[in-house]
Amino acid sequence: AQTVTQSQPEMSVQEAETVTLSCTYDTSESDYYLFWYKQPPSRQMILVIRQEAYKQQNATENRFSVNFQKAAKSFSLKISDSQLGDAAMYFCAYRSAWNSNYQLIWGAGTKLIIKP
Amino acid sequence: DGGITQSPKYLFRKEGQNVTLSCEQNLNHDAMYWYRQDPGQGLRLIYYSQIVNDFQKGDIAEGYSVSREKKESFPLTVTSAQKNPTAFYLCASSITGLNEQFFGPGTRLTVL
Repeated sequence: AQTVTQSQPEMSVQEAETVTLSCTYDTSESDYYLFWYKQPPSRQMILVIRQEAYKQQNATENRFSVNFQKAAKSFSLKISDSQLGDAAMYFCAYRSAWNSNYQLIWGAGTKLIIKP
Repeated sequence: DGGITQSPKYLFRKEGQNVTLSCEQNLNHDAMYWYRQDPGQGLRLIYYSQIVNDFQKGDIAEGYSVSREKKESFPLTVTSAQKNPTAFYLCASSITGLNEQFFGPGTRLTVL
C-alpha cells in the first residue's frame, strides 16, 4: 500500500524568505500523481500544485514550485517570497494513475508559520 | 459562483443520534468524496461516488452511510454505530475520478 510521509510537523520562515516543505512517499507504481494542498485557518482545502510522475520537469505555480525526485520518492514544495497569507497547514497527497477508486493518500501535514 | 457548499458549518449531536451532513456542488462534477480529518492527521476517505446512484466504501466507512440520488448532492449520514464521530468532515468533487479534487468548506461535528 502506498504511504505519504511529511516529517516536519511545523516550520517557520521570515516573511519574504524562502521555505521548503518535505514530503516522501512509498509506492511500487510507476505512474501516479502528487499534489500539495494548503489548508488555511478557514480549513478549506486548496490545491496548490500538482505533478505527474511521468513528467521530468518540476511543476511551478507562481511563487510555488516543487522538487520532484522520482528515484528518491521525494516531492518537496518550495515557497519563494513568503507572504503572511501563506500561513497554513500544507498537505502532500498521492494518487495512483491506475487504482480504480482514484483515492488520494495523504500525509499528516506541516504547519507553516510566517514571521512578520 | 460555481463551488461546493457544505452545511451546517458546525453541528452538535447527542450520543446515539444519527445526523446528516449536506454536500452540494454546482460544478457539474461526476465524482464526489467524503473525508474525515482528525487533529494531527491527514484526511481519510469515508465514501466516494464516481457516478449517480453508485458509491463505494473508503478506508473508514464503518458507521457512515451515503446516497447519490442526484449529481449535485452527496449527503453523509453519521450513524450511532460510529464510535468516535467528533471530527472535521470535508466533502470534495472532481470532474471525473482522474481529475483534481476541489473541496468544500467543511463541517465540524461534535458529539456531546
